[in-house]
Amino acid sequence: AQSVTQPDIHITVSEGASLELRCNYSYGATPYLFWYVQSPGQGLQLLLKYFSGDTLVQGIKGFEAEFKRSQSSFNLRKPSVHWSDAAEYFCAVGATADYKLSFGAGTTVTVRA
Amino acid sequence: DAMVIQNPRYQVTQFGKPVTLSCSQTLNHNVMYWYQQKSSQAPKLLFHYYDKDFNNEADTPDNFQSRRPNTSFCFLDIRSPGLGDAAMYLCATALPRAEETQYFGPGTRLLVL
Repeated sequence: AQSVTQPDIHITVSEGASLELRCNYSYGATPYLFWYVQSPGQGLQLLLKYFSGDTLVQGIKGFEAEFKRSQSSFNLRKPSVHWSDAAEYFCAVGATADYKLSFGAGTTVTVRA
Repeated sequence: DAMVIQNPRYQVTQFGKPVTLSCSQTLNHNVMYWYQQKSSQAPKLLFHYYDKDFNNEADTPDNFQSRRPNTSFCFLDIRSPGLGDAAMYLCATALPRAEETQYFGPGTRLLVL
């Protein structure tokens, strides 16, 4: 079965600074990888996803992620954080056998002025 | 805009009093999911429908039931809510392929008194 680990529970970053959120997955075949963002009291919104092709994926809100098979990682990055980026970020992996997602525990991002 | 709608956004119920949460979609997706999300945790899949086929997760308590009368609507019934069932309940929809995005509704916050 597939699984996801997000090693950082909470990250605090200054507005305008860069941000990197880590995600490691476990899956025997080529994974389908997703990053979702959740603002307080809201549902989840897709930031980006990877399932084939270029390993550097561009998403919405200025985010990008890089798939590294050798490291089983799919880290999310943003060059310059805005206060509105304060939210919970979830990495998820989907399997080819079904259309269910396994979510990581999430990383809470706090942005300080 | 095509979307996933959840009603109500907030629901207060009494211990042991049945409650129904509703989800509707205009995306015409085959698959509809119900997740339970407790504070600062990842969403936990309760069950999903592929068209009219119901798929229960092995660890979903019998207290949770679901109905999908047509493509657009799906209901979550909690037969006898306990204090431990207080959570955010998220509905999501998707096309039935591993690489497809799950589209989430805004969630229903359930409070059990």
